[in-house]
Amino acid sequence: QQQVKQSPQSLIVQKGGISIINCAYENTAFDYFPWYQQFPGKGPALLIAIRPDVSEKKEGRFTISFNKSAKQFSLHIMDSQPGDSATYFCAATRSRGSNYKLTFGKGTLLTVNP
Amino acid sequence: NAGVTQTPKFQVLKTGQSMTLQCAQDMNHEYMSWYRQDPGMGLRLIHYSVGAGITDQGEVPNGYNVSRSTTEDFPLRLLSAAPSQTSVYFCASSKPLREGQNEQFFGPGTRLTVL
Repeated sequence: QQQVKQSPQSLIVQKGGISIINCAYENTAFDYFPWYQQFPGKGPALLIAIRPDVSEKKEGRFTISFNKSAKQFSLHIMDSQPGDSATYFCAATRSRGSNYKLTFGKGTLLTVNP
Repeated sequence: NAGVTQTPKFQVLKTGQSMTLQCAQDMNHEYMSWYRQDPGMGLRLIHYSVGAGITDQGEVPNGYNVSRSTTEDFPLRLLSAAPSQTSVYFCASSKPLREGQNEQFFGPGTRLTVL
């Protein structure tokens, strides 16, 4: 059972364009939704995260949009740059209790052409 | 702080050989975990630990053992390597959950090839 579904698998965007990656989850107990960014040969690193009590969170050019009723959330990268080329993973977890486990989507390989 | 460190960076094994992937963190994090990353499969949790002496299985635990004798170290053991274990392995650690936050810090990874 794949609890977090991510799309698209790969994405090519021109410099200056908007990159959009979508995720959907099944477990309504999830209440913390981070996005991780991974450059080739490196480990993933936290990019931005959101809790379901807000519908949007923005940090610089990166924005998470969250739709609780649809159980969907998405990452928008505005003014995409070649340096944003990386693999992006959405994830979800329960923040309450002792459950530390993150459930990851399968990842999106983003290529930003100059 | 060195963060999360992993050794070795690369390893080639023959089928049936055993080895231990090392992971250490110097951030006094209670939670540590091991993931494997395969093309098109994302990050899959192998084993995790919520503190010294406490470990549990994740999504794909078969063929792997772990132990957590100290807060800092969380080694992953392959007792009899199989070609299906060819993958990139990441160790991660995080603080106890608070205020709905859970940033996991990942190591640089170990690329393992089993022939």
